[in-house]
Amino acid sequence: GENVEQHPSTLSVQEGDSAVIKCTYSDSASNYFPWYKQELGKRPQLIIDIRSNVGEKKDQRIAVTLNKTAKHFSLHITETQPEDSAVYFCAASSDTGRRALTFGSGTRLQVQP
Amino acid sequence: EPEVTQTPSHQVTQMGQEVILRCVPISNHLYFYWYRQILGQKVEFLVSFYNNEISEKSEIFDDQFSVERPDGSNFTLKIRSTKLEDSAMYFCASSAWENTEAFFGQGTRLTVV
Repeated sequence: GENVEQHPSTLSVQEGDSAVIKCTYSDSASNYFPWYKQELGKRPQLIIDIRSNVGEKKDQRIAVTLNKTAKHFSLHITETQPEDSAVYFCAASSDTGRRALTFGSGTRLQVQP
Repeated sequence: EPEVTQTPSHQVTQMGQEVILRCVPISNHLYFYWYRQILGQKVEFLVSFYNNEISEKSEIFDDQFSVERPDGSNFTLKIRSTKLEDSAMYFCASSAWENTEAFFGQGTRLTVV
């Protein structure tokens, strides 16, 4: 089945700096890669997603890049703000393999004011 | 904005007791999921449900677990005989189609004592 590895487990940045979180996946059939943000005690919420037919997607300060050959994808947050502090999870799913989401282990991002 | 709702928000139960966790998915969604998150760990897939039957399940979803859609709106997860290690946050999610954005409920924290 699918296995998603996520790094780093914790990340501390200064307000205004950029943050990058990386994930690798094992199943070459995976073709949908969402990123979820989870604030303490809250539900995971989708912040951006990408499908395997594109290499990059951007939404304001957030971008995701995908390298299908290397089977890795990354989340980039620019101009970080204290309200970006949360746990971020990457996930992967497939039309043909595991169709439900397989999550990475999460990255706790702390943005220092 | 439509959202997935779960009840109760917190359930405490004695080991060996049965529990039923309830969810109301987003009304026009066709796929329903249960995930769990042990404190401080990643979100793990349990089961997906489509067209009144299980679509996929993980190795966690053993004979102690069952799901049901008893009417047109509710989606339930039953744990027959709870164990201490079942203590976790259980998230229900729904999506319009498989391998698309999943919307999560706010979770039910299950504590087995």
